[in-house]
Amino acid sequence: QIQLVQSEAELKKPGASVKVSCKASGYAFNSHAVSWVRQAPGQGPEWMGWISGISGNTKYAHKFQGKVALTADASRNTAYLEVKNLRWDDTAVYYCARGKNGYTYPLDYWGQGTLVTVSS
Amino acid sequence: QSVLTQPPSVSGTPGQRVAISCSGSNSNFGSNTVNWYQQVPGMAPKLLIYRNDERPSGVPDRFSGSKSGTSASLAIGGLQSEDETDYYCASWDDSLNSYVFGTGTKVTVL
Repeated sequence: QIQLVQSEAELKKPGASVKVSCKASGYAFNSHAVSWVRQAPGQGPEWMGWISGISGNTKYAHKFQGKVALTADASRNTAYLEVKNLRWDDTAVYYCARGKNGYTYPLDYWGQGTLVTVSS
Repeated sequence: QSVLTQPPSVSGTPGQRVAISCSGSNSNFGSNTVNWYQQVPGMAPKLLIYRNDERPSGVPDRFSGSKSGTSASLAIGGLQSEDETDYYCASWDDSLNSYVFGTGTKVTVL
């Protein structure tokens, strides 16, 4: 079965960086894009960007350009999200999600989410 | 603030049909399809409707979607207690060059 399994929760200090992993199984990793979506406490989902499983090309939401970096290791079927220069308002659950049928959206399979808490 | 606007809450009794609206603009719904997600608190969103009105396998047929112009709607027929949760519309926005989610609607089963 198709699964996206994310890394465990992180507690970080302001100014630090965090890297979240998303390991895919049950499908051809190279054939699908992976998006990253964050959800702050009590808020709705917010799309951050995607990375192509085929080319490694990336696209970022304007808000997150320079703030995040998306990478992927096809040999490990794993996508990564790095969030830099963390602020308290980066505290959120971060999800990875697969684009359906090889497209970048809609998002048909999701990881379980990784809580990143930014606190001094 | 999202460019896709939903009512904060919708309620109905068991067995009733309810509808959730999603208002967009030409830059999103004008040329792109709408998707709907269901999210139980503490869980990841689940794709409910894609390409305006298509259901992924496993989604009950009492969930249906439609789009007309710059508005979309999700209907839940035969409301059940397990439908009480949050729902989000989503679409690609050509102006923002981003995938955008709606403001979200909480469905309450009375």
